[in-house]
Parts: sequence; C-alpha cells; structure tokens
Amino acid sequence: ETGVTQSPTHLIKTRGQQVTLRCSSQSGHNTVSWYQQALGQGPQFIFQYYREEENGRGNFPPRFSGLQFPNYSSELNVNALELDDSALYLCASRERGGAGTQYFGPGTRLLVL
Amino acid sequence: AQRVTQPEKLLSVFKGAPVELKCNYSYSGSPELFWYVQYSRQRLQLLLRHISRESIKGFTADLNKGETSFHLKKPFAQEEDSAMYYCALSPIETSGSRLTFGEGTQLTVNP
Repeated sequence: ETGVTQSPTHLIKTRGQQVTLRCSSQSGHNTVSWYQQALGQGPQFIFQYYREEENGRGNFPPRFSGLQFPNYSSELNVNALELDDSALYLCASRERGGAGTQYFGPGTRLLVL
Repeated sequence: AQRVTQPEKLLSVFKGAPVELKCNYSYSGSPELFWYVQYSRQRLQLLLRHISRESIKGFTADLNKGETSFHLKKPFAQEEDSAMYYCALSPIETSGSRLTFGEGTQLTVNP
C-alpha cells in the first residue's frame, strides 16, 4: 500500500466551470507531481511542488494551478474547463533525493460536458 | 524536447514465450529511463529504472544510448504479467521526477 490518496474518485463538470482535485501524499514525502492522462494516452506531466512552491511545469496553460500545504497534501485547480480537460488526473509523491521513486495515487477521473 | 515512443499499442504472447516491449526515446541531455506497469484495477507503479540495474519479476531492460532505446524483456512470460506497460524518461538531474511517458503497450499473456 503506497499511501497516496486522491479525492474525489470521479466527477462531472460543465465547460467553463472550475474544479479542485485533492491529493494526500505518502507519509514523509515532500514532493508532489500532477499528471493528466487522456484516454488511450500515457500520463503527461503538469507540474511539481516541493516545500509549497512550484519547481517544474509541463506544457499546460496557466489555468492549471496548484497548491501544496505544510502537511504536504496538495490541490490541482483548473479554471475555465474545456472539453479536452476530460481525463484521469494522477498525483504522485516522492521523497526529495534518495531513490526518488514516485508513488502514484489511484487518480481522479474528470468528465467535462 | 523530450519524447518517448512505444511503437506497439497491443502485444500478445503465449505463456512461457519470450516477450520484448519496445521503447525508443529522444532527449538532448542525459536521461534516466524507467518502466512503469499498471495491472488491472491497480495504480501505476514503478517496475524498474535503468540506473538500479535490477531485475524485477524477471524483467530486464538495457539502455542503448546509440540506438536511444530501452526495451523491456522477459525470457518466459507468465499470465500474471498481463498489464499495461509504460516507458518513461526524466532528466537525470530531477532524480526520477517530471516524467515523460510513452503511450503504453498493453501486454496480454495467453495460457
């Protein structure tokens, strides 16, 4: 059991709305990354947070934003939802340094209508 | 730009047969290469990474910098190996984060 949890498991939104997805990192992990996985595709890196600051970002527009809290839980916020935002959103946590293995959560499936 | 290509979306073999899942990459710097696996109804998990040079569940992968490949191999496939396999790359300075994934290969091992 890796210990990374995500909520909600799935949700439905309409175009133009805003959504917040949540992730609880595995105990002791201070780095969290978010990925978007469209149907039939591999995960795509959105951004990474370390000690509450963004320290890496993939090719996603600014309407994708995040937060990391002192307890290392995190949020992914998406504004002005578009149909193409429909995907599985994965959170992954890891220890900074060391073996660096990322542990993935089960994901949140978002459907935008 | 970095890119990972897995040319086979589907691969089917019989139990006991050798299996090879292909992965090619492009990256201008020094990459670290990984294989991740997702079994049915389970979360994505690390199978192996090239720097550890470990063999996990009988799988091995050799990084070929000349051919920019990182193919995953197993000499004798088992039914429990049926899963989705993703090859991934990260800049070596990020220690395994900021992964770029391929599109994945669905492996089915038939009895």
